[in-house]
Amino acid sequence: KAGVTQTPRYLIKTRGQQVTLSCSPISGHRSVSWYQQTPGQGLQFLFEYFSETQRNKGNFPGRFSGRQFSNSRSEMNVSTLELGDSALYLCASRSPLLQGTNEQFFGPGTRLTVL
Amino acid sequence: GNSVTQMEGPVTLSEEAFLTINCTYTATGYPSLFWYVQYPGEGLQLLLKATKADDKGSNKGFEATYRKETTSFHLEKGSVQVSDSAVYFCALSDRNAGNMLTFGGGTRLMVKP
Repeated sequence: KAGVTQTPRYLIKTRGQQVTLSCSPISGHRSVSWYQQTPGQGLQFLFEYFSETQRNKGNFPGRFSGRQFSNSRSEMNVSTLELGDSALYLCASRSPLLQGTNEQFFGPGTRLTVL
Repeated sequence: GNSVTQMEGPVTLSEEAFLTINCTYTATGYPSLFWYVQYPGEGLQLLLKATKADDKGSNKGFEATYRKETTSFHLEKGSVQVSDSAVYFCALSDRNAGNMLTFGGGTRLMVKP
């Protein structure tokens, strides 16, 4: 079974631009969560989507948004990029069969650099 | 709110040494606990988990026991290898807070041959 895939793996943008990152969960997984990883703040939860609905949101400004499609693929968008948005963005998917344990499977991440 | 505290690194050990990485947590509910590992340039891999008090998670020689009385989930391995060099994250998931994972700051382990 293929794992969680994220595209692109690397991205360079300039301040003020916007960016869209994509995540394809493991087949059969309907829950997708996004996390931001930075050296200063560590790993922080952005949001979770389940069946095309946002179920939970972390403490990030409105410039960060996401969506999920009917095939469970998810995208996150960051508008008006700031230097501080440079980070590794990780996507994780969760199996409904493992709901009790909340075991999440992570993709390799997208490394975003804002210049 | 929920939080996870783990020992700061880097932790530098010689091959075959004993490893302990401390992790303590604060949670409003009854959380599940996890250890994830991150190798350079990669995402997070689940190393082990425990869902209730006194559960012991184990995988690849690593172990951790869910201690509710001390709110701890320390990671141990009896004999580390160079290939264990990575960053280790302790995390919790609390149903009262949805399905989000709350992570500790990570501990870098370096194993020298």
